Amino acid sequence: DTGVSQDPRHKITKRGQNVTFRCDPISEHNRLYWYRQTLGQGPEFLTYFQNEAQLEKSRLLSDRFSAERPKGSFSTLEIQRTEQGDSAMYLCASSLVPPADQETQYFGPGTRLLVL
Amino acid sequence: AQTVTQSQPEMSVQEAETVTLSCTYDTSESDYYLFWYKQPPSRQMILVIRQEAYKQQNATENRFSVNFQKAAKSFSLKISDSQLGDAAMYFCAYRRGEYYGGSQGNLIFGKGTKLSVKP
Repeated sequence: DTGVSQDPRHKITKRGQNVTFRCDPISEHNRLYWYRQTLGQGPEFLTYFQNEAQLEKSRLLSDRFSAERPKGSFSTLEIQRTEQGDSAMYLCASSLVPPADQETQYFGPGTRLLVL
Repeated sequence: AQTVTQSQPEMSVQEAETVTLSCTYDTSESDYYLFWYKQPPSRQMILVIRQEAYKQQNATENRFSVNFQKAAKSFSLKISDSQLGDAAMYFCAYRRGEYYGGSQGNLIFGKGTKLSVKP
């Protein structure tokens, strides 16, 4: 069990560019979550998948954001036409359900995005 | 909508002493879970302790225990015998339960409390 991994760990980009982040969950975990954390705040939910199905998207996830989880394994989060307000830490978490009442989300180290 | 409030932006404790971090939440739901997560500097967030709303007994995990007051919607974390490694951001989080069906997996976090441990 190698834990949740994210790549890259840091990304600096210019406003208007597209960026893509990758998350590799713990093997056999069927749920995968994306959160965004800005300075001085707790993580905010963006979206989550159960296997390859995207089950919920937050209103925070504007149409510039898209997430995929092909084949129910790793996931990618793409931000198109980045804005300075997108600067944040993007966290990925994975979990195994059922049993849902025992679900524990395991977090990755995050990808820190800076938009200049 | 559910909200989680942590009213203490920063706390400090002497090594080996006890400290309590506060958390209140607002919900109209009766089936939910509460969590405390720890986020050390530049390290991954890890689960400290969880509490099922339907359980009256307060959860404990070694030196960590909670005081769950359901009627008051309060969920405080007590850290006993504080260690230097306890220094971190602590986040309180809420998740709705399965009773409501549909998508209920996402966590709602408070803003966090930064805990410093003095040697």
